[in-house]
Amino acid sequence: AQKVTQAQTEISVVEKEDVTLDCVYETRDTTYYLFWYKQPPSGELVFLIRRNSFDEQNEISGRYSWNFQKSTSSFNFTITASQVVDSAVYFCALSLYRDDKIIFGKGTRLHILP
Amino acid sequence: DSGVTQTPKHLITATGQRVTLRCSPRSGDLSVYWYQQSLDQGLQFLIQYYNGEERAKGNILERFSAQQFPDLHSELNLSSLELGDSALYFCASSVAGGGQGYNEQFFGPGTRLTVL
Repeated sequence: AQKVTQAQTEISVVEKEDVTLDCVYETRDTTYYLFWYKQPPSGELVFLIRRNSFDEQNEISGRYSWNFQKSTSSFNFTITASQVVDSAVYFCALSLYRDDKIIFGKGTRLHILP
Repeated sequence: DSGVTQTPKHLITATGQRVTLRCSPRSGDLSVYWYQQSLDQGLQFLIQYYNGEERAKGNILERFSAQQFPDLHSELNLSSLELGDSALYFCASSVAGGGQGYNEQFFGPGTRLTVL
């Protein structure tokens, strides 16, 4: 069975600090996709990134970076120089090549304190 | 704006009632997915329709049903509502039917259901 675990339920950091959100996934499929979504207080789901299982290159987008390691089944997300606007719930998610449903982790609520 | 619309935005009703949530996919998308976000269960997949046919089923209760109409909009019907059905219900759409690789899903803004 497929599973996504976000062990950190809630994190608080002071603005400008770096913060890493952990994500561990489980699947026996060899082809799959990993995602991060942001859910701000307004409630909508904002797509941040997708990675396929064959692409272990790390990615950086502005203050955001992602570290994908198949060896540890992890897909961690780092925010550098955090800002108050980064406060949100962040979801790590998984989908398989052979079907479309997205399996979400429980989410990590991130508080950036001014 | 993802191009996926959901109505209503908010819905407040009482236990035992029945409600219908509506989703209009992006133009050209044939698949519609429903997800439920509740405090207990988190965000979970309920059901997928592709071009009018049910394609995949997740943890959807028997009291819940969905359909996709010829114009491709979808409705999620929730009946005999219980307090625990209070949740944010998301609809997503995609071009293809799935099972053949990455098929990007675009999420709507959600319908917040409160059962009193």
